[in-house]
Amino acid sequence: GQQVMQIPQYQHVQEGEDFTTYCNSSTTLSNIQWYKQRPGGHPVFLIQLVKSGEVKKQKRLTFQFGEAKKNSSLHITATQTTDVGTYFCAGGDSWGKLQFGAGTQVVVTP
Amino acid sequence: KAGVTQTPRYLIKTRGQQVTLSCSPISGHRSVSWYQQTPGQGLQFLFEYFSETQRNKGNFPGRFSGRQFSNSRSEMNVSTLELGDSALYLCASSPGLADRRSYEQYFGPGTRLTVT
Repeated sequence: GQQVMQIPQYQHVQEGEDFTTYCNSSTTLSNIQWYKQRPGGHPVFLIQLVKSGEVKKQKRLTFQFGEAKKNSSLHITATQTTDVGTYFCAGGDSWGKLQFGAGTQVVVTP
Repeated sequence: KAGVTQTPRYLIKTRGQQVTLSCSPISGHRSVSWYQQTPGQGLQFLFEYFSETQRNKGNFPGRFSGRQFSNSRSEMNVSTLELGDSALYLCASSPGLADRRSYEQYFGPGTRLTVT
């Protein structure tokens, strides 16, 4: 079955630095979604990518969907303390089923 | 619009008991999905309901079941609770249509279940 893996599992970042988290699927995806979960909170939808090679930006966040639609990345520039949380990717298959990755937990040090 | 609501927020049960969790989706959303979140396993998909029918199912034992009512509200039931069922159970609604596409999920605050 479909498996979605995220790396790294943990990311310690100094405020102001950039970092990237990666998402890889064992099968071709119909789409990829990204979510952010703050400590003690619930996942919040950030964005969905559908097209091969698609790149979308949200302020300091840049999301990319691979050409083969099997991988994705989230790049954050100039990290701020408000970026703390766990970032999940979720791959959608042709049946509309979403498979979540294990998440990247981001800790920001001032 | 009001967000997704889940009741109860916290629950403590004993091994062997059964439990029912409730979820009210965002108004107009017809798709409701359930997830189990644990520190070690991340977000695991349980099932999705659309128009009162189970449309997708994850890899959980038959002790986990759900249903959806005509007003799109959903319930999840876990019978014969085990210690390993302790987790945060999240409900998510989405503006899903009858087509088989995955839409953005709007999560509720979750029900924290502790099995002793």
